[in-house]
Amino acid sequence: QKEVEQNSGPLSVPEGAIASLNCTYSDRGSQSFFWYRQYSGKSPELIMSIYSNGDKEDGRFTAQLNKASQYVSLLIRDSQPSDSATYLCAVVSSGGSYIPTFGRGTSLIVHP
Amino acid sequence: EAQVTQNPRYLITVTGKKLTVTCSQNMNHEYMSWYRQDPGLGLRQIYYSMNVEVTDKGDVPEGYKVSRKEKRNFPLILESPSPNQTSLYFCASSSVGQVPNQPQHFGDGTRLSIL
Repeated sequence: QKEVEQNSGPLSVPEGAIASLNCTYSDRGSQSFFWYRQYSGKSPELIMSIYSNGDKEDGRFTAQLNKASQYVSLLIRDSQPSDSATYLCAVVSSGGSYIPTFGRGTSLIVHP
Repeated sequence: EAQVTQNPRYLITVTGKKLTVTCSQNMNHEYMSWYRQDPGLGLRQIYYSMNVEVTDKGDVPEGYKVSRKEKRNFPLILESPSPNQTSLYFCASSSVGQVPNQPQHFGDGTRLSIL
């Protein structure tokens, strides 16, 4: 059973701070990792993907991957109230069907 | 505008009455997939398709059928719906990229209630 764990939150941060969202996964064969943002009542949006150990930056977002420790994180710099949403982590294993396994999501609240 | 369109957005129906949720994308994407989202369980893939006439089961395919006769359309069929299929459903599409079957664009969702 492949598992992807996220703290459900809510994670509350002040505007302008760095929000740090974490995700751990159980399958050591996992090769691809994704972060989605889902506003309340809306569909998920893909915001980041990462495949190699280390950091990947895209604007205010940084994804960090550590395969040895089996975790992936998302940092949001200069957090804004518009970043308030649920963030979903998804993990795909190599081989076979590439069916993504999603975490249950972390709720982020950025307060002014 | 690039989009994935699902219909209907909301549906209340009764046990056993066959229904179809349509999904269409205008991005010429090869991959399409269906997910259900339930509180406390997260998103789970029902079926996916890597191209026309090529479909395969996701993690929770029981009670569902799909078809992919045209590249743009990927309907989800519930032939005999049951209350445990009450959920929020999303269709997704993606282009050929580094990872197959990774959803890039989601539809707006279909909230399905089966009484």
